[in-house]
Amino acid sequence: SQQGEEDPQALSIQEGENATMNCSYKTSINNLQWYRQNSGRGLVHLILIRSNEREKHSGRLRVTLDTSKKSSSLLITASRAADTASYFCATDHNTDKLIFGTGTRLQVFP
Amino acid sequence: DAGVIQSPRHEVTEMGQEVTLRCKPISGHNSLFWYRQTMMRGLELLIYFNNNVPIDDSGMPEDRFSAKMPNASFSTLKIQPSEPRDSAVYFCASSFGDDIQYFGAGTRLSVL
Repeated sequence: SQQGEEDPQALSIQEGENATMNCSYKTSINNLQWYRQNSGRGLVHLILIRSNEREKHSGRLRVTLDTSKKSSSLLITASRAADTASYFCATDHNTDKLIFGTGTRLQVFP
Repeated sequence: DAGVIQSPRHEVTEMGQEVTLRCKPISGHNSLFWYRQTMMRGLELLIYFNNNVPIDDSGMPEDRFSAKMPNASFSTLKIQPSEPRDSAVYFCASSFGDDIQYFGAGTRLSVL
């Protein structure tokens, strides 16, 4: 299966702390995306990083990509209770479809 | 734009019944995706369309599942007959050109 794997599966932190989650994939990519899913809702796109990029920022989000290791990380700085959600990486292998990872459940305690 | 609209939001049915899930993509988007999400298997792509044409249905579990896209603003996913193992949340997503997918709120299906 091409499905990406994320770790940790679950992460609990206090408000104000940083949260880091990782994604690994198996075959070469065109781009990698991160999505967020609140409980009972659909996925929402957060950020896209292309295969020729190494780092990207968007507000409190920082994404890195290491194509040699076939891995990516998502850092959420100064977390808030409202960041509580599941986070998924998704890889585009130069097709029209995305392969989603298994997700990381983030719980931020106030 | 209202985003991707799915109906119904919840569906409870008995084994053997036909179930039809509906999706209205974002206006102007030319790709549409159907996913299934369960705790055990995560998010699985069932089928996707490009310009109303099915491109890849390799994720459709079996012949009981079928999907159509009669026009650019409407798609259906049908399960006939339904089975308890089909219980899941079904998502529709649409995109246009930039690889980013926009998801609907999903349909939670329970087959008793």
